[in-house]
Amino acid sequence: DAGVTQSPTHLIKTRGQHVTLRCSPISGHKSVSWYQQVLGQGPQFIFQYYEKEERGRGNFPDRFSARQFPNYSSELNVNALLLGDSALYLCASSSLLAGSYNEQFFGPGTRLTVL
Amino acid sequence: QQQVKQSPQSLIVQKGGISIINCAYENTAFDYFPWYQQFPGKGPALLIAIRPDVSEKKEGRFTISFNKSAKQFSLHIMDSQPGDSATYFCAASKAGTYKYIFGTGTRLKVLA
Repeated sequence: DAGVTQSPTHLIKTRGQHVTLRCSPISGHKSVSWYQQVLGQGPQFIFQYYEKEERGRGNFPDRFSARQFPNYSSELNVNALLLGDSALYLCASSSLLAGSYNEQFFGPGTRLTVL
Repeated sequence: QQQVKQSPQSLIVQKGGISIINCAYENTAFDYFPWYQQFPGKGPALLIAIRPDVSEKKEGRFTISFNKSAKQFSLHIMDSQPGDSATYFCAASKAGTYKYIFGTGTRLKVLA
């Protein structure tokens, strides 16, 4: 079975631009979460979606938005990019089955560089 | 109360030695504590996880020790190998939220 896939692998943008990152969860998983990992730090929670609805949001500005599609894939959008948005953006999928241990499986990430 | 504090920041261990990484939390509502391993340029990979109803969990060379009263948990890597050289993150979450709070990471280097 394929793991979590993310695209693109790398992305270079300039300040003020907009970016869209994509994620496909593990087959059968209905939940997708997004995290931002700045170099040298642990991942920071941005959003969680389950069954196409937002179930949680971290402490990020409204420039960050996301959505989940009927096939459970997801997009993360960031508007008006700032230099500080440069980071590795991680997508994690989980099954959220009743009685499961809330395991989240991460993709390889998208490395975003804002110049 | 949402923080997870991780130490040490970096660790150097000889091949065959024991690597120990510690984490502490404040929020007693946390009920799931995973450890992740991350290699440069890769996403975190789930290593092992524990819930507060057990004090220890072992999978191969990796063991989690959990002290509920002290609100601390630790990862022990037995017989450390150069291939274990990576950054390790502890995390915590609570039922109903599903978001993880991550520690700041420990960069482990195992010398051959």
